[in-house]
Amino acid sequence: DTAVSQTPKYLVTQMGNDKSIKCEQNLGHDTMYWYKQDSKKFLKIMFSYNNKELIINETVPNRFSPKSPDKAHLNLHINSLELGDSAVYFCASSQVYNSGNTIYFGEGSWLTVV
Amino acid sequence: AQSVTQLDSQVPVFEEAPVELRCNYSSSVSVYLFWYVQYPNQGLQLLLKYLSGSTLVKGINGFEAEFNKSQTSFHLRKPSVHISDTAEYFCAVSRDNNNDMRFGAGTRLTVKP
Repeated sequence: DTAVSQTPKYLVTQMGNDKSIKCEQNLGHDTMYWYKQDSKKFLKIMFSYNNKELIINETVPNRFSPKSPDKAHLNLHINSLELGDSAVYFCASSQVYNSGNTIYFGEGSWLTVV
Repeated sequence: AQSVTQLDSQVPVFEEAPVELRCNYSSSVSVYLFWYVQYPNQGLQLLLKYLSGSTLVKGINGFEAEFNKSQTSFHLRKPSVHISDTAEYFCAVSRDNNNDMRFGAGTRLTVKP
């Protein structure tokens, strides 16, 4: 059983399109995250939700909108895609939003905008 | 805010040789430190973490790391590497009051036969 699963794994789309990436965790965790990894492997947090409540919202364009229908799901919707949005997006979760908690990552969604 | 610096972007090493991947952090408050590994086309997997107690932390796959508060370092070591250890390694830090984890830029470990 995959602990943190995200779909799709690969996504190629044209500039200007709107796309969503779905994420689900079956670990019973309260906190979920979205990270972006650029072409240089740099990993940066985008959003964090704790019990469906937004905790962290880094400087991310408002074209990116996370949605958490319940604490097991955190989907990422991206409007008006741009070339610079091409990256690997990782969903992750942790038991609670407390320090020292291990963050468990999904396998990533490779987004290519052409 | 806390931050992490990984001093080497790439580390090539021969199989069965020892390796050390360097990590330094900066923070004005207590921190918790982590090492994650990312194999090609996969997500990140926790290798080990330091929360408190013994400064020498042992993790999976024979890796260990030592927390050095005076030098603000958390270097990762393995006495004898395998080809299968070839991967990207990330050092990360979080503060003592939240789980806002910040990652270093990564170190690409390449193990050659």
